[in-house]
Formats: sequence, C-alpha cells, structure tokens
Amino acid sequence: EVQLLESGGGLVQPGGSLRLSCAASGFTFSNYAMSWVRQAPGKGLEWVSAISGSGGFTYYADSVKGRFTISRDNSKNTLLYLQMNSLRAEDTAVYYCAKGGANYYDSSTFWSLDWGQGTMVTVSS
Amino acid sequence: SYELTQPPSVSVSPGQTASITCSGDKLGHKFACWYQQKPGQSPVLVIYQDTKRPSGIPERFSGSNSGNTATLTISGTQAMDEADYYCQAWDSSTPVVFGGGTKLTVL
Repeated sequence: EVQLLESGGGLVQPGGSLRLSCAASGFTFSNYAMSWVRQAPGKGLEWVSAISGSGGFTYYADSVKGRFTISRDNSKNTLLYLQMNSLRAEDTAVYYCAKGGANYYDSSTFWSLDWGQGTMVTVSS
Repeated sequence: SYELTQPPSVSVSPGQTASITCSGDKLGHKFACWYQQKPGQSPVLVIYQDTKRPSGIPERFSGSNSGNTATLTISGTQAMDEADYYCQAWDSSTPVVFGGGTKLTVL
C-alpha cells in the first residue's frame, strides 16, 4: 500500500523559511516523479512543484519560482522535500505531496494517483 | 500562462447524469485528468489521460476531451458523488495547471 506522510508544516513569519518533508513507502520511490500541490483555506488546488524520479529534472509554478526548492532523497530515506524561503501570506495553505504516474514528469504522466494527507503552513506575523 | 476554466457549481438529481466541463485553449490536444475532493479529505484521481479510470473508481465516472473542452461525466449520480471536482492539464508554459474547481451538488 502506498503511503505518503507529510511533515514540517507550522506557523512562520513573513519572510521566513520552512522545509516540508514527505515520507514515502509502499512503492519503489526512485521509479516515480513526485509533486507538491497546495490548497489555501477555502480555495482550489494549486500545483506547486514536481521532480523526476532521478531528481535530475525539477519544475516550478511561477508563483514559487526562485523561492521554493524541491528535492528528494532516493537512498535509504525515500524522502521528498520542499524548501520554502521568503514566505508570504499567500503561501498559507495545506501542502500535499503526490506520486506521479511514472519516473519522468511530462504531458502524459503528470497526474497523481496517490496523495498524502497534507501539512498546514501558516504564514503570519 | 495557461488557464483552465470550470463552472463554479453544477447541480444534479440523484440517478441523473452530471457533466462537468473544463475549458482551455486547444485542451483537446493535451491530456486532461480529473480529481474528486470531499470536505476535509485529500483529492482522489477519478480520470487520467482523458478517459482512463484508476482501479477502484466506479464505471459511472467517464471522461472525454476534444477541441477546447474536457468533460467529466457521472452517470447515475449518487449522493456520495457530491464533492468538488478539479480538472488538471499539462502545458509547456506552466507546466501543470488546475482548473478552479466545480462544486457538484446532488439534490
């Protein structure tokens, strides 16, 4: 059974940093691209970032480019990360990690069958 | 940047067919997928690559994509289908975008 467990959320001041983690199990982690999707309170889903299975290719939404960095540990820890810097109030949301459809992330594999339960990030003074 | 447009809400009577649309420039030339999200829960993939259903998704869920519009169709809608539905597509400029979501009410 695929399991994705996010952690690292919390309250942070504007301009601050936070690193989210997603612990993956139940599948061969390095064989799948992974992504982060967020949802502001009462709002719709917003795609944030994705990374290929090898970690060699990364993708970002314009709203976070230059501030957020996605990475992964394919060794023993099978962890997905999202380093978030220069946080703004509009980054307040539940952040979900999601498993892609294949090792590569492209127009035919961007969909996500498996999702975590999400971790809440609140940016406020 | 690429945009996907969904109606904010759709209503349907139990047992009837619900259709939720997702519009975008030349969307029919791209793959679209659909997610169902119930309050307080994570999204669930119901359709991917325009028409494919993941294992465990009821046959009453189907998808199509042509021209500028992708459509999620729920046949014989049940009360349990009441949820928010989001379309998603890939575009080279974005590269991934969600529609704004459609609240499906079964009444």
